[in-house]
Amino acid sequence: AQSVTQLGSHVSVSEGALVLLRCNYSSSVPPYLFWYVQYPNQGLQLLLKYTTGATLVKGINGFEAEFKKSETSFHLTKPSAHMSDAAEYFCAVRETGNQFYFGTGTSLTVIP
Amino acid sequence: GAGVSQTPSNKVTEKGKYVELRCDPISGHTALYWYRQSLGQGPEFLIYFQGTGAADDSGLPNDRFFAVRPEGSVSTLKIQRTERGDSAVYLCASSLGLAGNEQFFGPGTRLTVL
Repeated sequence: AQSVTQLGSHVSVSEGALVLLRCNYSSSVPPYLFWYVQYPNQGLQLLLKYTTGATLVKGINGFEAEFKKSETSFHLTKPSAHMSDAAEYFCAVRETGNQFYFGTGTSLTVIP
Repeated sequence: GAGVSQTPSNKVTEKGKYVELRCDPISGHTALYWYRQSLGQGPEFLIYFQGTGAADDSGLPNDRFFAVRPEGSVSTLKIQRTERGDSAVYLCASSLGLAGNEQFFGPGTRLTVL
């Protein structure tokens, strides 16, 4: 069965510091991988996705993620955190079917 | 509108009542998904439509839950005999339905069962 694990339900970083949000998945086939962000009282918004090709994917707002097949990981990073990055982040995986499997989310706090 | 819309934004009902939640997908999106998101959790898949038919309803928790999409656009999630455990945010998403396409989410309907 497909599963998505996000290590760390809460992450705090100082403004200007590196952001690293972890995502590991289990899949028997090469998956499609997604990161979504959810701001308070808003719907989920796509940050970036990996389908095929280059394993380093760049998204909106300066975020990027790298697909590492050997580690079954798709960690999200941003070199310098901004106050506006404070939100809930969800990693999601889709296999060959149409179901998307979401992690439990990581709440990012940015400390001024 | 350009995005996915859901109505109502909030619904408060009493245990045992029937509720309907509506989703208007992005025009032209053939795939439509319903999810349930409980506090502190990620979205949990309920059902997926491709066109008018439910291509995968394996996520529906029991037969009190049912969803329709009669004309391949608007969808309604129906919950009979609501229970307090049904309280959650119900999310709708749509996509072009092709492999690799991302889903576009609506703002959700917050259902509270008293």
